Amino acid sequence: AQTVTQSQPEMSVQEAETVTLSCTYDTSESDYYLFWYKQPPSRQMILVIRQEAYKQQNATENRFSVNFQKAAKSFSLKISDSQLGDAAMYFCAYRGGSNYKLTFGKGTLLTVNP
Amino acid sequence: DTGVSQDPRHKITKRGQNVTFRCDPISEHNRLYWYRQTLGQGPEFLTYFQNEAQLEKSRLLSDRFSAERPKGSFSTLEIQRTEQGDSAMYLCASSLGQGISHEQYFGPGTRLTVT
Repeated sequence: AQTVTQSQPEMSVQEAETVTLSCTYDTSESDYYLFWYKQPPSRQMILVIRQEAYKQQNATENRFSVNFQKAAKSFSLKISDSQLGDAAMYFCAYRGGSNYKLTFGKGTLLTVNP
Repeated sequence: DTGVSQDPRHKITKRGQNVTFRCDPISEHNRLYWYRQTLGQGPEFLTYFQNEAQLEKSRLLSDRFSAERPKGSFSTLEIQRTEQGDSAMYLCASSLGQGISHEQYFGPGTRLTVT
């Protein structure tokens, strides 16, 4: 079974600084997708960024980028120029290529200090 | 399009009672998913519908749980004889398809408290 591990229960960053959230996963599949979701307090979960495993190039979305290390099964999220609105719980998620269900990590609570 | 909606947002019930939650997906989405999220954990997959067909049920979904999507539109999740361990956030998500571009859009969730 696939597992997703987020080893940082909590992280904090100063406004305008950069922070990196860690995620590792375990799978025997060669075709899969990885995601970072953001869950603000009392609000619904939204997709931040996604990565196809067959793509070597790391995905970027504005201030958000990933460092995808396939051999190490590592998928970290970097948030640049952190903003107060980035404060939320961040979940790393895995989906197999022929599958449909997401497997989530336990999440990292990000605090942004003004 | 207002996104995925869930009703109610909060439900408090006494142990042993039955509860039913509703999920309205994004209108053109043919796939619908239920997840459960307990405190301090990430969401865990419960079940999945493609149109009106329920294609997979997790081992987490005991016999006390039943989900339906009668016309391939909205879905209901019923829990019979609730237990304190059922207390959690129940999340619904929908997607248009299965490809990478067909991301799952989540609703706000229904928070269940069993006393």
